[in-house]
Amino acid sequence: SSELTQDPAVSVALGQTVRITCQGDSLRSYYASWYQQKPGQAPVLVIYGENSRPSGIPDRFSGSSSGNTASLTITGAQAEDEADYFCSSRDTSDDHLGVVFGGGTKLTVL
Amino acid sequence: QVQLQQWGAGLLKPSETLSLTCVVYGGSFRGHYWSWIRQPPGKGLEWIGEINHSGSTNYSPSLKSRVTISIDTSKNQFSLNLSYVTAADTAVYYCAREPLTEYYYMDVWGKGTTVTVSS
Repeated sequence: SSELTQDPAVSVALGQTVRITCQGDSLRSYYASWYQQKPGQAPVLVIYGENSRPSGIPDRFSGSSSGNTASLTITGAQAEDEADYFCSSRDTSDDHLGVVFGGGTKLTVL
Repeated sequence: QVQLQQWGAGLLKPSETLSLTCVVYGGSFRGHYWSWIRQPPGKGLEWIGEINHSGSTNYSPSLKSRVTISIDTSKNQFSLNLSYVTAADTAVYYCAREPLTEYYYMDVWGKGTTVTVSS
């Protein structure tokens, strides 16, 4: 099956912009979805498709994609954005339909 | 607003079968896939498998031999069975909804069930 690779940790100064990336072969065929997870809580969808946000997700969150890389950008990071972020996509490698998650990126807001 | 409520046994012995159920409140089974995902302590998310309203399933290749996901549309619920568990199956297990659109994503998640495998 495919793999999605994320940087384990990223930091950003309060109010600055940060980009979290996700790389993998499946991203050449499928858009990534992005999830925010805070300690002790279930993941929350923040970005899906080309660049769509579910209701209630601030517009400082945006997504983009190029080739085998998907990116989640937080423009003007807030303290409450400190969390783990996971990317995910469909996976059709090995002739089966499945789902793959990235290993996650821990975002620290300084 | 759709909510997922999940339950099941939280403590198992090695070789037992893990059984979890997820009930869907406020929404229809049709038009979605329904997934199970797990997260070992301190680690990332791992997809286990999914099922649609007609019972069609897809499973993770690494777990396929031990996993069964089933659905009961009359009760608006779907279930996960994982046989012959070991300590490596200790994790928080989540159920989630996947809308059937041109894009793939999980937009509604259960709160998670902690499952510990220990002798």
